[in-house]
Amino acid sequence: AQKVTQAQTEISVVEKEDVTLDCVYETRDTTYYLFWYKQPPSGELVFLIRRNSFDEQNEISGRYSWNFQKSTSSFNFTITASQVVDSAVYFCALSFPDTGRRALTFGSGTRLQVQP
Amino acid sequence: EPEVTQTPSHQVTQMGQEVILRCVPISNHLYFYWYRQILGQKVEFLVSFYNNEISEKSEIFDDQFSVERPDGSNFTLKIRSTKLEDSAMYFCASESGGAGTDTQYFGPGTRLTVL
Repeated sequence: AQKVTQAQTEISVVEKEDVTLDCVYETRDTTYYLFWYKQPPSGELVFLIRRNSFDEQNEISGRYSWNFQKSTSSFNFTITASQVVDSAVYFCALSFPDTGRRALTFGSGTRLQVQP
Repeated sequence: EPEVTQTPSHQVTQMGQEVILRCVPISNHLYFYWYRQILGQKVEFLVSFYNNEISEKSEIFDDQFSVERPDGSNFTLKIRSTKLEDSAMYFCASESGGAGTDTQYFGPGTRLTVL
């Protein structure tokens, strides 16, 4: 069975600090997709990134970067120079669309509070 | 930019009543989903729908739940006889289903409160 673990329940940082959100996943499948979603205080779920299991290249998008390491089954998310608007709950998720299992399995989320 | 919409934003109902939550997925998307999030908890998958039938469902999606695509645009979740524990945020999502585009886009959610 698949599982996504986000061990950090809550992180509090001061604006402009860098912060890394951890995500560890478990699966026996060799083909899978990993995702990060952001849930701001308003409650919606906002897609941030998708990564497939064959692509271990790290990705950077502005202040956001993602580090995918199959060897440790981790897909960590770093926010550089955090801002108050980054305050949200961040969810990591896993799916297996290539084998017809498109349902997302979410981690329990990490609440990030960025203090001014 | 196309987006998933959901109505109502908040629904209050009495235990035992039927509720229907409505969603309009992104046009031309082929896969549709319902998830729920009990307050303060993680997002849980309920059901997926493709080609006018359920393609996956979770253990949560029991006989009290049903889904329907009554026309070319709406996608609904019906809860036949609501229970207190059905109180949650319900999210609809859609996915295009094309090659290399396996990303689910979520609506803003419907907060269901069962009294």
